[in-house]
Amino acid sequence: GIQVEQSPPDLILQEGANSTLRCNFSDSVNNLQWFHQNPWGQLINLFYIPSGTKQNGRLSATTVATERYSLLYISSSQTTDSGVYFCAVRKGSQGNLIFGKGTKLSVKP
Amino acid sequence: GAGVSQSPSNKVTEKGKDVELRCDPISGHTALYWYRQSLGQGLEFLIYFQGNSAPDKSGLPSDRFSAERTGGSVSTLTIQRTQQEDSAVYLCASSLGGWTGDGYTFGSGTRLTVV
Repeated sequence: GIQVEQSPPDLILQEGANSTLRCNFSDSVNNLQWFHQNPWGQLINLFYIPSGTKQNGRLSATTVATERYSLLYISSSQTTDSGVYFCAVRKGSQGNLIFGKGTKLSVKP
Repeated sequence: GAGVSQSPSNKVTEKGKDVELRCDPISGHTALYWYRQSLGQGLEFLIYFQGNSAPDKSGLPSDRFSAERTGGSVSTLTIQRTQQEDSAVYLCASSLGGWTGDGYTFGSGTRLTVV
């Protein structure tokens, strides 16, 4: 099946710093989403981005489908950005999402 | 409702007992998904319902696991004869349709502990 790899697995930032999280996938996909799981376990849908670039406040995401990767940019990080960021993809006629193992982000004040 | 509601939020059960987990999706969402997340791990797909179509059960780990969705709304995930390896957070999500990310929303999960 399709493999989803995220890097780095762990990231520690000082408040105010910028960061880039990467998601590589092993096959063509028709859906890619980024989620944030906060320290209390709630998963929040950040972006639906099978291709192109989207921005939402301090967060933006870019997916280059032909090269099978997506990037999540966090600018001017805040302590509330801490948590785990998951990339998830869907291929073909499958209904479910296939998740990567996530990047655990810790933003220090 | 305003969000995806799951109950109970926590469940402790003895090995060998059956458990039922409930998911109430967002009104109007035709797609409903169950995933589970073991400690420190990513999400593992279990089962997917889309409208009146037959569910995709390809992620269910064993025949002890089953799920139903009544009236295209509320879903129940049942685990029979629970084992310690079933301990995990069980997450439900719903979306407007099966093929897009529109409104893909997770509930807060049910933390299942088998002792």
